[in-house]
Amino acid sequence: TQLLEQSPQFLSIQEGENLTVYCNSSSVFSSLQWYRQEPGEGPVLLVTVVTGGEVKKLKRLTFQFGDARKDSSLHITAAQPGDTGLYLCAGGVGGTSYGKLTFGQGTILTVHP
Amino acid sequence: EPEVTQTPSHQVTQMGQEVILRCVPISNHLYFYWYRQILGQKVEFLVSFYNNEISEKSEIFDDQFSVERPDGSNFTLKIRSTKLEDSAMYFCASKTSGGAIGELFFGEGSRLTVL
Repeated sequence: TQLLEQSPQFLSIQEGENLTVYCNSSSVFSSLQWYRQEPGEGPVLLVTVVTGGEVKKLKRLTFQFGDARKDSSLHITAAQPGDTGLYLCAGGVGGTSYGKLTFGQGTILTVHP
Repeated sequence: EPEVTQTPSHQVTQMGQEVILRCVPISNHLYFYWYRQILGQKVEFLVSFYNNEISEKSEIFDDQFSVERPDGSNFTLKIRSTKLEDSAMYFCASKTSGGAIGELFFGEGSRLTVL
């Protein structure tokens, strides 16, 4: 069974601070995806990383996939209240698993003005 | 913008009753999924569906669960005899291609409450 451990579970910071969310596993994933989920809605994809060591930037968000493809991080620079939400990492495997994703437990981020 | 739509948004049912959750995936998508999220817990994979058959299912997806694509547009999840522990948010998702890469589009979810 593949598991993804996401940390921290809760993060409460002031506007303008930087933060990092971690996603770790003992298993190798073909891809690692980061989602954001608003209350009462489904997860919405932010980014997919597929190559070990890959770094992707989305405005103030930086995503990294570990060299061994077992871990990933999400770094937010100068957080804003609009970044408040639930962030989920999810790992995918290739082959015949048809896109089944294993999700982490999520990080609830609160950015205070 | 195309989206995955789910109905009902919330259903309350008595234990032992049958429930059907409905989903309309994005029209050109070929791969369909159901996930669920028990309150306060992880999003969990239930089943994937391609070419009118189940591709993969999790341990959660036992004989009480079934999926169907009856008319080429709807994708349904049926729970034959609901249990209290089936209370959760159920998400339908679809994508254009299989494998680990490619965006998975989620619906807004159907909240099932079993009393």
